Order: sequence, then C-alpha cells, then structure tokens
Amino acid sequence: KAGVTQTPRYLIKTRGQQVTLSCSPISGHRSVSWYQQTPGQGLQFLFEYFSETQRNKGNFPGRFSGRQFSNSRSEMNVSTLELGDSALYLCASSSTASGANVLTFGAGSRLTVL
Amino acid sequence: GENVEQHPSTLSVQEGDSAVIKCTYSDSASNYFPWYKQELGKRPQLIIDIRSNVGEKKDQRIAVTLNKTAKHFSLHITETQPEDSAVYFCATGIPGGADGLTFGKGTHLIIQP
Repeated sequence: KAGVTQTPRYLIKTRGQQVTLSCSPISGHRSVSWYQQTPGQGLQFLFEYFSETQRNKGNFPGRFSGRQFSNSRSEMNVSTLELGDSALYLCASSSTASGANVLTFGAGSRLTVL
Repeated sequence: GENVEQHPSTLSVQEGDSAVIKCTYSDSASNYFPWYKQELGKRPQLIIDIRSNVGEKKDQRIAVTLNKTAKHFSLHITETQPEDSAVYFCATGIPGGADGLTFGKGTHLIIQP
C-alpha cells in the first residue's frame, strides 16, 4: 500500500512569489492535514480537509490556502512568499477526521524562500 | 486553544539507560495522546499512542503514561539503543475536533555510546 506522497520535495522561491504543494494520501484515506515544521516552533497545524471540505484552519495568515479534490488529493498554496515561510511542509493522511486518529505523514516539501 | 509543553528540549543518555520525556497540556477535552519519532531527514512516525480511558500502555521498550487529573503524559524508553537517537514529539487530540493534533516542540534524544 503506497504511503503519503508529497511533491515537490524541495523548492526554492524568492520573496513575493507563490508556491503550490501537492499531497496524495494513502488510498482510501479521506482526511488530509497540513503542518508547517520549523526548527524553533515544531509542527504547527495549518488546516485539514475531509471529503473536499476544510474543517478548520490554524493560526496562519490568509496567504496560506488549500483545497482537496474528489480523489482526496490535496494542494496547499502560499502566496506572496515571505522569508519566514521557509520551512518543511508536511501533509498527513488519516482514514477519518483527524482529531484523534493516527496520522501518517509524507516526507514533506522543503521550501526555501530567498 | 490547546497548549502543549514538552520537556526537556534535549536529552542525552548513555546507551542502555532509560529516557523519559514529559508533556503537559491545557485542554481537559483532549483525550488522544500520540508520540511521534522523527529521525534526521525523515518524516515523523507514530511510535505509540494512548487514549484517556487507560493510564499506561507498553510496546516492548517504550511506554506511555497518562495522568489526566494533572494533565500530563510521559514517554519512557528503556534499554536505549543508538537507533533511538531522534527527535520525539508529543501531541494531543480531541475526538471529532477540527483543529488537528497539537504538537509539543520536540525533544532531541541523543544516545551516547
């Protein structure tokens, strides 16, 4: 059974640009969550999608957005990139809504903003 | 919202000794407490979890204990081995909650040979 797949794995952008990251969950999983990982802050919740609906959003500005498709694949977008957006972006899938269920993480997309 | 504090941030132990990592949380509605291990350059992986209807759970050399009254839970690793070197994250979750898991900031466990 394939795991959680994230693309691209690495990318470099400049301030002001935008970026789109993709996540394919484990087959059959309907919940996809996104987390931002930075050395000082650990893993911070961005948002979760379940059956194409955003369930909630963490404490991030409106420049961070996402969506989920009917096949459960999810994308997140960051517009008007800032230096502080440099981080590892992890997505995780779960068979049901993730409030209290096992998350399986992808390998992450490492974003560097110059 | 939920706040999870994790201590220590770095823990160095001799190979074969035990390691204990502690987390406290603020939201009494939390009742799912997983621990994730992240090796250098790799993804976080679940190593053990506990739900609030039990106070302790063991899986070979690792165990988690939970004290809901005091709102803290701990990860215990016995007979530590070099492959235990990693960053460990605790987290809390609320069944049906829409805010995902709330993670601690992590503990870097170093196993000294």
